[in-house]
Amino acid sequence: AQSVTQLDSHVSVSEGTPVLLRCNYSSSYSPSLFWYVQHPNKGLQLLLKYTSAATLVKGINGFEAEFKKSETSFHLTKPSAHMSDAAEYFCVVRHTGTASKLTFGTGTRLQVTL
Amino acid sequence: EPEVTQTPSHQVTQMGQEVILRCVPISNHLYFYWYRQILGQKVEFLVSFYNNEISEKSEIFDDQFSVERPDGSNFTLKIRSTKLEDSAMYFCASSEAGRGVNTEAFFGQGTRLTVV
Repeated sequence: AQSVTQLDSHVSVSEGTPVLLRCNYSSSYSPSLFWYVQHPNKGLQLLLKYTSAATLVKGINGFEAEFKKSETSFHLTKPSAHMSDAAEYFCVVRHTGTASKLTFGTGTRLQVTL
Repeated sequence: EPEVTQTPSHQVTQMGQEVILRCVPISNHLYFYWYRQILGQKVEFLVSFYNNEISEKSEIFDDQFSVERPDGSNFTLKIRSTKLEDSAMYFCASSEAGRGVNTEAFFGQGTRLTVV
C-alpha cells in the first residue's frame, strides 16, 4: 500500500529563513508524489509534482522538493520564507492504476513570524 | 486559468436530510474525484469517476453516497440521509488523465457541510 508520513505537524520559521517540511513515503512501486498547500479557508493548490522524471522538482512560489529513493523522502524546501507562505502543507502520494486515488499525509502547518 | 468550482461554499442541513454538493470540473478533464476533510483530520478519498461510472471508492463511500454527472459540465455528490459525522469539508477534484502524465488533480475550494 502507498502511504506518506509527514514528520512534523507544525513548523515555525522566521521570515527570510529557509523552510524545510519533511515527508517520507512508502510505496511498492515508483511513486507519483505531490505537495499541496491549503491557505486558510481556501482550497487545495498544487505546489509541485514528481512523476519519475527529474528528482529535483521546482514548483510555484519558490518551493522545490527532492525525491530521494534511498531515503524514501520527498522533503519540501524554500530558501527564504515569506509571510504569505503561512498555510497547511500536504504531502500526497498517488496510487498506481487508472483514475487512482490520492493518499494525503496528515499535513504540516507552517507558521512564519516576523 | 481554468479552475474547479464548487457550490455552495457552505451548507447547513438537518440530520436525515438529503444534500447535493455540486462541482464543475475543468472542461477538458476526464477524471473526477470527491474527497473530504473532517475538521482536524486528514483529507480522505471518497470516490473517483471516469466514463460515467465509478472507478474506485473508499469504504467511507457507502450506500448513502452517490455521484452523478448529469450533464456535460456538472459532477455531483449526493448524501441521501445525512448523519452528524458527515460534517466535513468536501473537495471536488478533476484531472486530465488517469494514468501517465497530466494526472495531477486540481481541487475546488470545497463545500463545508454542517449537519445539525
